[in-house]
Amino acid sequence: NAGVTQTPKFQVLKTGQSMTLQCAQDMNHEYMSWYRQDPGMGLRLIHYSVGAGITDQGEVPNGYNVSRSTTEDFPLRLLSAAPSQTSVYFCASSAWAGGLNEQFFGPGTRLTVL
Amino acid sequence: KNEVEQSPQNLTAQEGEFITINCSYSVGISALHWLQQHPGGGIVSLFMLSSGKKKHGRLIATINIQEKHSSLHITASHPRDSAVYICAAHLLSSGSARQLTFGSGTQLTVLP
Repeated sequence: NAGVTQTPKFQVLKTGQSMTLQCAQDMNHEYMSWYRQDPGMGLRLIHYSVGAGITDQGEVPNGYNVSRSTTEDFPLRLLSAAPSQTSVYFCASSAWAGGLNEQFFGPGTRLTVL
Repeated sequence: KNEVEQSPQNLTAQEGEFITINCSYSVGISALHWLQQHPGGGIVSLFMLSSGKKKHGRLIATINIQEKHSSLHITASHPRDSAVYICAAHLLSSGSARQLTFGSGTQLTVLP
């Protein structure tokens, strides 16, 4: 199993550009989520999904869109990048199986918006 | 005020020392995770617990639901334990039972 994969590892954007951060998992996990990590702050939830076709907003959803067309993939779209979106982004997944389970994290994407 | 708070923010220890990192939360939870973030940035899960105590090698995690407090202990610490340790809780007040609220992390440095 590859676990949770994210691409790209690093990205530099100019203000106003759009891009998609890719996330995929091969563990057939129902729950997938996107977080951002900023210095001095805990990880904050951007969007999450409890299964294919179902997404919902987290704590800091503004400026980001998600979709979940398959169980495996959960891309995060930045529609018009802003310097405030400079951060490290982590995708995570977990199984449900009737209860809470271990979280698996991707390696992260370091995004800089100029 | 963050609903999940960790202490200390930074901790420096000598190799071999016993280390304790604390996590407290302000509302009821269904479970709590301890995570380790390596210097390279990757995050791995150490423990998930909802009661009592769990042990894996030199790491021990405890939780007291009534006192809203959890601790992560490292026995016989080693420089390779140097990392950021993060607690994260499934708060009963969250929109979804599977949502996690994170502490801001504890930077541990173990000196040889």
